[in-house]
Amino acid sequence: DAGVTQSPTHLIKTRGQQVTLRCSPKSGHDTVSWYQQALGQGPQFIFQYYEEEERQRGNFPDRFSGHQFPNYSSELNVNALLLGDSALYLCASSLGGGHHGNTIYFGEGSWLTVV
Amino acid sequence: GDSVTQMEGPVTLSEEAFLTINCTYTATGYPSLFWYVQYPGEGLQLLLKATKADDKGSNKGFEATYRKETTSFHLEKGSVQVSDSAVYFCALSRGGSNYKLTFGKGTLLTVNP
Repeated sequence: DAGVTQSPTHLIKTRGQQVTLRCSPKSGHDTVSWYQQALGQGPQFIFQYYEEEERQRGNFPDRFSGHQFPNYSSELNVNALLLGDSALYLCASSLGGGHHGNTIYFGEGSWLTVV
Repeated sequence: GDSVTQMEGPVTLSEEAFLTINCTYTATGYPSLFWYVQYPGEGLQLLLKATKADDKGSNKGFEATYRKETTSFHLEKGSVQVSDSAVYFCALSRGGSNYKLTFGKGTLLTVNP
């Protein structure tokens, strides 16, 4: 049973460019959230997708957007990249819209470096 | 807003030593509390959790008790092993929003043989 898978694992982008990160949730899971983890910091919640809609959003600008597909996989898009966007981006999956008590599983993340 | 404050690291211990990593939180209502662990080169893994006051979460020899009166959820292990070397994150979620985890900054633990 595959866990949460993310791609790419590492990438380097230039300021002002756009990036798309991808996530496949654990088998059977229908809810995906994205987190940003800067070096030496804890993960920060970006947003959650359930039933192909953004359900919750953290304190991130509109440059950060996402999408969830009918097969529950998800993409995170970041436009107009800034140096401060350099971080590990984590995808997390669960069942039932993040129902309390359901375990959340994290992927290994995508390392984004903006130069 | 919600916040989690955990013990600054790094923490370095010898094998078989006792471990405590302090965690306190600020949140309205009755949050659920979690400890996650991040081993080198791996993703975050749930270590243990507690969903109501006085609950004790435990896993792999680690324990933490949800103390509402002190808003704390300290992680303990009686005898650490080299394989416990990792970054430990305390986190909370509020209400029905199990997905919006608020994390502390993490504590790096190194256990020497």
